[in-house]
Amino acid sequence: SQQGEEDPQALSIQEGENATMNCSYKTSINNLQWYRQNSGRGLVHLILIRSNEREKHSGRLRVTLDTSKKSSSLLITASRAADTASYFCATDTSGTYKYIFGTGTRLKVLA
Amino acid sequence: GAVVSQHPSRVICKSGTSVKIECRSLDFQATTMFWYRQFPKKSLMLMATSNEGSKATYEQGVEKDKFLINHASLTLSTLTVTSAHPEDSSFYICSASAPPSGNTIYFGEGSWLTVV
Repeated sequence: SQQGEEDPQALSIQEGENATMNCSYKTSINNLQWYRQNSGRGLVHLILIRSNEREKHSGRLRVTLDTSKKSSSLLITASRAADTASYFCATDTSGTYKYIFGTGTRLKVLA
Repeated sequence: GAVVSQHPSRVICKSGTSVKIECRSLDFQATTMFWYRQFPKKSLMLMATSNEGSKATYEQGVEKDKFLINHASLTLSTLTVTSAHPEDSSFYICSASAPPSGNTIYFGEGSWLTVV
């Protein structure tokens, strides 16, 4: 089953532009994580945000969480061609590390 | 840091045969591991929760007799795809938690299964 819906499904931008991806989920969460996946490869952990947090930063990444709207966003600033990948949100509703993934956003950054 | 290793990374098998995929936590003990399946250009779908020393818990719609999960030790869980069919071809990925590290979960590199 899918907990999160992400939009857009696909995003194509020019290098240097910002990319914003949104994740909406259905039930209350303990925490939410964002991952990157290059084609055919494993997952790379980006950021974890807990239910009592509203915003977190890591380098060029900014994640927000709005539990009242059951949504999160991932902003990548000053994008690079190397950021081309699929991005997934994943939610843990019970604090048991059982993560349910969103549908994902395929980002393409054009050089 | 903690590492989760999967083996094999790629496997090709014939229809009707069984294939086993291993998930190991290399430097921590994992009482719980999770198995996911991912079809090309799709998201990860949780298949089952692997519990050390007890039966796995399967998600709705996942056939437990087809996807056998064994978690016999605190560092190893195995997924066996029995009587494989071409539609079982997919990317299988496991994860394991490493308490008491908070909400840290570690994913393996994944295993590509192709059934011919």
